[in-house]
Amino acid sequence: GAVVSQHPSRVICKSGTSVKIECRSLDFQATTMFWYRQFPKQSLMLMATSNEGSKATYEQGVEKDKFLINHASLTLSTLTVTSAHPEDSSFYICSAIRSAYEQYFGPGTRLTVT
Amino acid sequence: KNEVEQSPQNLTAQEGEFITINCSYSVGISALHWLQQHPGGGIVSLFMLSSGKKKHGRLIATINIQEKHSSLHITASHPRDSAVYICAVSKSGGSNYKLTFGKGTLLTVNP
Repeated sequence: GAVVSQHPSRVICKSGTSVKIECRSLDFQATTMFWYRQFPKQSLMLMATSNEGSKATYEQGVEKDKFLINHASLTLSTLTVTSAHPEDSSFYICSAIRSAYEQYFGPGTRLTVT
Repeated sequence: KNEVEQSPQNLTAQEGEFITINCSYSVGISALHWLQQHPGGGIVSLFMLSSGKKKHGRLIATINIQEKHSSLHITASHPRDSAVYICAVSKSGGSNYKLTFGKGTLLTVNP
C-alpha cells in the first residue's frame, strides 16, 4: 500500500522557538495533502489543505501566520509551527491524496512545547 | 450535535468475540471511511464505502445510505485489534477528500 512518512516522530522544543514537521509521500505523487492536529482523547481536527504549487487553505480559526505550510514538491509538504507555545503541544498528522477517495495518513508527530 | 456519531465510545471484549462498532451521520455524503488508530498514533485507512458492504480479512464494513448508518464488524477478535476505530465521512458537494470525523471508539480486546 501507499506510504506516507512524517519527520520527526516526536519533538520537544522550548517556548518561542519554531518547529518544522515534514510530510512525505514515499511512493506516489500527491498534489494535495492535509494537516490535522489531535488533542488527547479527541478526534482529528483539520487544520489546512496543502496544495502543491499554491498557497495552503486554512480552516476557520487556524492562524496561517502561526502554522506555515509549504507544499514544495509533489511528495513533500512541511508544517512550521512558529513561536511555539505550550498550548501548541499536540499530535500533528498529515495525509496525502493519491487518487479519488484514496487518502493515506502519516504516522504523526508528537510536539511538546516546554 | 456532531455530524458523525459513533457508538459505543469504549468497548471491551474477550478474544474471539464478534465486535460491532456503529456510525451514524446526519449529512449527505459521497463516501464513508473507517480508520484505525493504534496507541502510537499512526492511522491506517481500513475501508472506504459509498454503498453496500466490503470485507477484508476479519473486518467487514457495511453502509446503509437511506438510514445514514454504517457498521464495522470484527470477527474472531484478537488483542492486536485493540485500537481506536474512527468513522469519517466525505460530505456531498464538498471536496471529496476533506473528512469529517467521529470521536472514535476505543476497542480493547483482552486475551
